[in-house]
Amino acid sequence: QVQLQESGPGLVKPSETLSLSCTVSGGSINSYYWSWIRQPPGKGLEWIGHIYYSGNTNYNPSLKSRVTISVDTSKTQFSLKLSSVTAADTAVYYCAREGIRWSLDYWGQGTLVTVSS
Amino acid sequence: EIVLTQSPGTLSLSPGERATLSCRASQSVSSYLAWYQQKPGQAPRLLIYDASNRASGIPARFSGSGSGTDFTLTISSLEPEDFAVYYCQQRSDVLTFGGGTRVEVK
Repeated sequence: QVQLQESGPGLVKPSETLSLSCTVSGGSINSYYWSWIRQPPGKGLEWIGHIYYSGNTNYNPSLKSRVTISVDTSKTQFSLKLSSVTAADTAVYYCAREGIRWSLDYWGQGTLVTVSS
Repeated sequence: EIVLTQSPGTLSLSPGERATLSCRASQSVSSYLAWYQQKPGQAPRLLIYDASNRASGIPARFSGSGSGTDFTLTISSLEPEDFAVYYCQQRSDVLTFGGGTRVEVK
């Protein structure tokens, strides 16, 4: 059974960089796209971007200038960096696998990141 | 960017009733549409992929239909555990989600 687990600081100061990692276990990181999605408190889901195991990336145009997603296949991890954060970036951040027909079939439990001084 | 519009925003129903949720795309997404269920404090769970295929372990009371721009998720007879928020998602273009439909107890 594939499992994903997010990790990283729960509190980030405004203007700094948010950094999260997602560790994949129970399955291969190869041959899949791996996504980051976020959900502000009480609101809907927003796709941030994804990375193929080979390193190819695509980002949400609305966040593209601030986002970097990377992958480390040796550690079966992929990571998110979001720069110049503001309070609007406060959200639960999820990592997920893009499986069959580009649906998100496995998700991490999510981690709340609060942007505050 | 393809916009997904879900309706209604909230659906108030009783257990045993039929739920019909709609998702409309601003342009054709072919059949690249998925549905998710999310309960409070939990990650979304994949219900339907490719518009009409149930994901592994999803009960048969959940069904999806549609293609192009108009899609429907139907729950044939609501169980107590089905009261939740439902999202549609497309990946024909940049991946986007609909705004969600809350199914609440009447």
